[in-house]
Amino acid sequence: QSALTQPASLSGSPGQSITISCSGSSSDVGSYNYVSWYQQYPGKAPKLIIYDVTNRPSGVSGRFSGSKSGNTASLTISGLQVEDEADYYCTSYSRGDTLVLFGGGTKLTVL
Amino acid sequence: EVQLVESGGGWVQPGGSLRLSCAASGFTFSDYSMNWVRQAPGKGLEWVSYISFSSNTIQYADSVKGRFTISRDTAKNALSLQMNNLREEDTAVYYCARVVNRWLLAAAGMDYWGQGILVTVSS
Repeated sequence: QSALTQPASLSGSPGQSITISCSGSSSDVGSYNYVSWYQQYPGKAPKLIIYDVTNRPSGVSGRFSGSKSGNTASLTISGLQVEDEADYYCTSYSRGDTLVLFGGGTKLTVL
Repeated sequence: EVQLVESGGGWVQPGGSLRLSCAASGFTFSDYSMNWVRQAPGKGLEWVSYISFSSNTIQYADSVKGRFTISRDTAKNALSLQMNNLREEDTAVYYCARVVNRWLLAAAGMDYWGQGILVTVSS
């Protein structure tokens, strides 16, 4: 079963907004509102920033928001800050052979 | 404060076995489902295994099915991953992670993670 598809890298300038896409299928992203997003710094554990497509855990900045359209979920980071430079992963529940699918990750560079 | 602390990693030869443990504290362990997730050096995250809060539902990635066994001990607030017949491609940092809620469909949402433990499989 294929992983979810994310762009390998993106870049933006401080203050800008960027959107990371996560493409799946009707077996996962398209049929269930159980998409999550994680932020990971090098050598650190991932941190949950969005779950169930749009929900933000307590303590996560409101600059992070999630959405979904069809088989594609998106993470938008508004007002980019230098500290947002990290790897971002999407995940989704899947009714296929693999319970949880991960995207390949997107390396965000803030120039 | 929620804490998850992995232990049991290390170096093992191909074909060998290791048992990872994850000590949970700061929350009612029996109320939460748990995952193991791994990350090979320089690579992305990969889901490995899931166990429901009641241990009634257990699932594995195809890459580890038949070789890895997940379990939990509610009395000890501990999650385990028994890894047998290890392969070089199992080399990774292994994380235990708490699922946001107890339902199977929510398994992709993990709100607390351990610091990770390195498993190296090499001859």
